[in-house]
Amino acid sequence: AQSVTQLGSHVSVSEGALVLLRCNYSSSVPPYLFWYVQYPNQGLQLLLKYTTGATLVKGINGFEAEFKKSETSFHLTKPSAHMSDAAEYFCAVSGAGANNLFFGTGTRLTVIP
Amino acid sequence: EAGVTQSPTHLIKTRGQQATLRCSPISGHTSVYWYQQALGLGLQFLLWYDEGEERNRGNFPPRFSGRQFPNYSSELNVNALELEDSALYLCASSQNLRGAPDTQYFGPGTRLTVL
Repeated sequence: AQSVTQLGSHVSVSEGALVLLRCNYSSSVPPYLFWYVQYPNQGLQLLLKYTTGATLVKGINGFEAEFKKSETSFHLTKPSAHMSDAAEYFCAVSGAGANNLFFGTGTRLTVIP
Repeated sequence: EAGVTQSPTHLIKTRGQQATLRCSPISGHTSVYWYQQALGLGLQFLLWYDEGEERNRGNFPPRFSGRQFPNYSSELNVNALELEDSALYLCASSQNLRGAPDTQYFGPGTRLTVL
């Protein structure tokens, strides 16, 4: 079984500051991990994904995430926040072959000018 | 390339009625997934269709059903609507690569309101 925990339902950062959104997962099989972003009244857009191989994954819009098996974590970071990053972010996990995604409850990111 | 499309954008029904939601996947994608995003409950997996067959189902009652057509588009049907069915219903599509992660691409959703 797979599950995801996102710590912090709301995160506020100043424009230009580091963004850190936390995600911990539980999986009985090697996980595939994803970060999606949802802007108001829109669907989900894929930011990045981890499958196998390099544990540091780079995505769109300057975001990256590192898979740490020992910590069962897949935290999302961005060195410098931009106003346009304000959105809700979802971490998700699936197992090979299962295909359906298990989502965390989401973290709403606010960027303060 | 066109993305995943969903119709209608908004749907208002009364309790006890039936709702039909539609989804067209990205060209070349054979898998379609349905998720419910209800206030306070997050995103929950509903159904997965591939090649016309239901492959997996989330923890939802049987009044949530659907189908996939030969052109890979899909319908989600919700019978005997209840107030708590009010939610954003998201459709996603992916290729189905055996043994590889199938990145899911999402549509904009259908907002279902049950009065």
